[in-house]
Amino acid sequence: DTGVSQDPRHKITKRGQNVTFRCDPISEHNRLYWYRQTLGQGPEFLTYFQNEAQLEKSRLLSDRFSAERPKGSFSTLEIQRTEQGDSAMYLCASSSTRNTDTEAFFGQGTRLTVV
Amino acid sequence: AQKVTQAQTEISVVEKEDVTLDCVYETRDTTYYLFWYKQPPSGELVFLIRRNSFDEQNEISGRYSWNFQKSTSSFNFTITASQVVDSAVYFCALSDYRGSQGNLIFGKGTKLSVKP
Repeated sequence: DTGVSQDPRHKITKRGQNVTFRCDPISEHNRLYWYRQTLGQGPEFLTYFQNEAQLEKSRLLSDRFSAERPKGSFSTLEIQRTEQGDSAMYLCASSSTRNTDTEAFFGQGTRLTVV
Repeated sequence: AQKVTQAQTEISVVEKEDVTLDCVYETRDTTYYLFWYKQPPSGELVFLIRRNSFDEQNEISGRYSWNFQKSTSSFNFTITASQVVDSAVYFCALSDYRGSQGNLIFGKGTKLSVKP
């Protein structure tokens, strides 16, 4: 397994457009997390899934944001009607609670620029 | 509310110097986890260590060591004999004990520059 994979690595979009990011977690990891990181800041938690169930959402996740993990494997994060304030790095992470709780492993992120 | 404070925004040292990165946390939970992650320029967060609130034993891993003190709510990270490859942003993070070790509260990070 090569770790957590995110696609695309970079995305430039015009304000008002919709964008979708994909995250492929480490195989067999049942938990998947989305974070947002702006320049000079630490990552901020957005939401997480256990298998296909979305168990927690941050107040940062406005109604323009939606995340899915339909089959309990990969996940998508969609941002509708993008705004310049959405420009950030979007990080995905996964972990397992099946045998012992593991730490979260992060992907390299998708850098979004809204122009 | 939970909070992690990394007061040092940037640190610059010369290779082979020792450097300590400070982390102070706030939580009302009696059971929690503390973490350190490294973020090199490539952007991927690399896990360094996890410590639960019941284990105050300090840990050493090669050139890295961690000092956890519940009395002062601190979890400091020391790199001994720093190397240029240690240059990165280092984040301290906190999670509660609901079972989700990926639901983390991060500090703002400390950017470490190690010069040759």
